[in-house]
Amino acid sequence: DAGVTQSPTHLIKTRGQQVTLRCSPKSGHDTVSWYQQALGQGPQFIFQYYEEEERQRGNFPDRFSGHQFPNYSSELNVNALLLGDSALYLCASSSGYGNTIYFGEGSWLTVV
Amino acid sequence: RKEVEQDPGPFNVPEGATVAFNCTYSNSASQSFFWYRQDCRKEPKLLMSVYSSGNEDGRFTAQLNRASQYISLLIRDSKLSDSATYLCVVKLDRGSTLGRLYFGRGTQLTVWP
Repeated sequence: DAGVTQSPTHLIKTRGQQVTLRCSPKSGHDTVSWYQQALGQGPQFIFQYYEEEERQRGNFPDRFSGHQFPNYSSELNVNALLLGDSALYLCASSSGYGNTIYFGEGSWLTVV
Repeated sequence: RKEVEQDPGPFNVPEGATVAFNCTYSNSASQSFFWYRQDCRKEPKLLMSVYSSGNEDGRFTAQLNRASQYISLLIRDSKLSDSATYLCVVKLDRGSTLGRLYFGRGTQLTVWP
């Protein structure tokens, strides 16, 4: 049984570019949340998707957007990249509001 | 004010030592509490949930004080393999932020031989 899978694992982008990160939740999970973890900080909640809709959003600008597909997989898009967007982006999956939350290995984004 | 405050450390202890980490949370509506472990450049992994009555898992003991909004983690007989960053996490189980995890910035632990 595959856990949470994320792609790509590492990528380098230039300021102003756009990036798409992908996540497949653990089998049986229908809720996907995205977190940003800057160096030396704890993960910060970006948004959460359930039934293909954004259910909650953290304190992130509109440059951050997402999508959930019928198979529960999800994408995180970031437009107009800034140097400060360099971070580890984590996808977490769960079943509804359950306490059993699994994280993917993350996507390391470096903006230069 | 941050939702979850943690002393970032670092804590450097010898093998066999006992070490304690603390954190405080600001939202009294917080209902679920956890400690996560994060190894260098890896994803966070659940170490243990924290229950009001306190709970133990081998060498690890977690305590919760709802009145003081304070959570602790005690590690006894530290092993080299305990070296990691420990993240204090709270989850709101009602309201508009239902299901969202709030992380502290983590406390770095290094256990030396």
